[in-house]
Amino acid sequence: EPEVTQTPSHQVTQMGQEVILRCVPISNHLYFYWYRQILGQKVEFLVSFYNNEISEKSEIFDDQFSVERPDGSNFTLKIRSTKLEDSAMYFCASKETSGDTGELFFGEGSRLTVL
Amino acid sequence: SQQGEEDPQALSIQEGENATMNCSYKTSINNLQWYRQNSGRGLVHLILIRSNEREKHSGRLRVTLDTSKKSSSLLITASRAADTASYFCATGGYQKVTFGIGTKLQVIP
Repeated sequence: EPEVTQTPSHQVTQMGQEVILRCVPISNHLYFYWYRQILGQKVEFLVSFYNNEISEKSEIFDDQFSVERPDGSNFTLKIRSTKLEDSAMYFCASKETSGDTGELFFGEGSRLTVL
Repeated sequence: SQQGEEDPQALSIQEGENATMNCSYKTSINNLQWYRQNSGRGLVHLILIRSNEREKHSGRLRVTLDTSKKSSSLLITASRAADTASYFCATGGYQKVTFGIGTKLQVIP
């Protein structure tokens, strides 16, 4: 069954360092998302991406964050200068169809630990 | 913005019992979805109910939607230990899907 894959599964970094989290969405999907989940807390929307541009972003997604689809298969989230509070699980998701219906398919997440 | 809020936040039941989780949201919706998350794993879609539907079934899952009260419920019948997970309701369109705070369900064997 097709799946969303994310790498790395766990990354430990020093505060102030740049981090890139990678995702390979399901191949025929058109809509891509990043979410984050601080341990034990809710799943928070970061950004959605369609047709090579950001569709919507939350207030969390400030200038320190960027997304890119560099080669038609990977979808990356970059955090330019990590802060302690960026420590969280980051989930990538993709969706096949337009419109309001259609499920999101999630990857298993990348755990980011900022020291 | 649309946001689901589930209650209870935690629920512990014996295997074989039914589990009911509720979700309330603030604005009008076209559909509402329920997802499940095993500890530390990605979310998995369970079921979607459209705004013009009142009830939907999928296996041991039963979802209801009351748009007048802006609420939904997820019923898991004959629960199993493997149902232990967090359950989230979600609202929104293709640009943004917003998740509630979730209900943590523990099914005791």
